Amino acid sequence: AQSVTQLDSQVPVFEEAPVELRCNYSSSVSVYLFWYVQYPNQGLQLLLKYLSGSTLVKGINGFEAEFNKSQTSFHLRKPSVHISDTAEYFCAVSVPNQAGTALIFGKGTTLSVSS
Amino acid sequence: GAGVSQTPSNKVTEKGKYVELRCDPISGHTALYWYRQSLGQGPEFLIYFQGTGAADDSGLPNDRFFAVRPEGSVSTLKIQRTERGDSAVYLCASSLTTGLTDTQYFGPGTRLTVL
Repeated sequence: AQSVTQLDSQVPVFEEAPVELRCNYSSSVSVYLFWYVQYPNQGLQLLLKYLSGSTLVKGINGFEAEFNKSQTSFHLRKPSVHISDTAEYFCAVSVPNQAGTALIFGKGTTLSVSS
Repeated sequence: GAGVSQTPSNKVTEKGKYVELRCDPISGHTALYWYRQSLGQGPEFLIYFQGTGAADDSGLPNDRFFAVRPEGSVSTLKIQRTERGDSAVYLCASSLTTGLTDTQYFGPGTRLTVL
């Protein structure tokens, strides 16, 4: 079965500092990988996704992630964070099945950016 | 255009009662998904629809949970004989198709509290 592990439940960081949110997945088949962000009282919003091709994926709001097949990781990075990046971040994989696809999410990482 | 909407935003009910949660997907999206997010956890897949039919309901926890999408647009998640363990945020998402590469767009969720 597929699973997603987000290694850090909380990441505190100061404004303008770099940040990395770690994600590892387990799967016996090829998967697609996603990062979603959830701002307080809002729905999940897609940050970026890896489907194929270049292993470095750029997303919205200056975020990027690198797919590493040998380490089964898909870590999210941003070189300089803002207060407004404070949110819950979820890594997810999509699992092909006979009729469609459901997302399997990690437990989430709370990013807290302070001044 | 309008995103995915869910009503009500909050629902408080008593143990043993019946509840209905509504999801309005993005217009034209044929795929609709329901997820459940418990406190401190990532969203967990419940069921998804391709058009009017439930294509995969493997995530429904038991037969107290049921969902319909009679006209291929609005969906209703129904929970009978609610239990305290059903308390969670219920998320709805839609995508253009069920293709593996299609982005799922999430609504803000319905927070269900069973007393």
